[in-house]
Amino acid sequence: EPEVTQTPSHQVTQMGQEVILRCVPISNHLYFYWYRQILGQKVEFLVSFYNNEISEKSEIFDDQFSVERPDGSNFTLKIRSTKLEDSAMYFCASTQGRGGREAKNIQYFGAGTRLSVL
Amino acid sequence: GNSVTQMEGPVTLSEEAFLTINCTYTATGYPSLFWYVQYPGEGLQLLLKATKADDKGSNKGFEATYRKETTSFHLEKGSVQVSDSAVYFCALIRMDTGRRALTFGSGTRLQVQP
Repeated sequence: EPEVTQTPSHQVTQMGQEVILRCVPISNHLYFYWYRQILGQKVEFLVSFYNNEISEKSEIFDDQFSVERPDGSNFTLKIRSTKLEDSAMYFCASTQGRGGREAKNIQYFGAGTRLSVL
Repeated sequence: GNSVTQMEGPVTLSEEAFLTINCTYTATGYPSLFWYVQYPGEGLQLLLKATKADDKGSNKGFEATYRKETTSFHLEKGSVQVSDSAVYFCALIRMDTGRRALTFGSGTRLQVQP
């Protein structure tokens, strides 16, 4: 079964450093998402991306964050200058986006990247 | 805004016990409702879904019914197994607004003992 792949599984960085989290969505999917989960808290939506542009973003997704689809397969989340409070599990997801209501609804998630900011 | 409230865990059960994990939501309009499951070391997997009132989602022996009158989507299973040990997330999406962001509950950890 096709799956969303995220790398690395664990990223350790120093405060103030830039990090790039990588995701390979399911190949025929059109919509891509990033979520994060701070330890012990809810999974929170960050951003959605379609047709090479951001289609929706949350208040969390400020100027420190950016997303990019640099080629036909990868989808990246960049945090420009990491803060301690950016430590979390980051999940990538993708949606087919075509077809009926159900196909558009179902988001498929990767296993996540645990980001630790020291 | 939209929100999802789940019962706090962990929920600890013996094998073959009956499971209920409560989920209630706050949303205007007509959300679609989901249960996702996260097994240790893995990502979030869709367990079941319901897109309109009175729909029942089911998968792998789990069921949940979309109750608009009580704004609930409780997860149930008649006989749990050790392999069901995981974290379960209730979530909603407001497709009628054109938004695609999932709103999640805080997750409920289920521990099933042999």
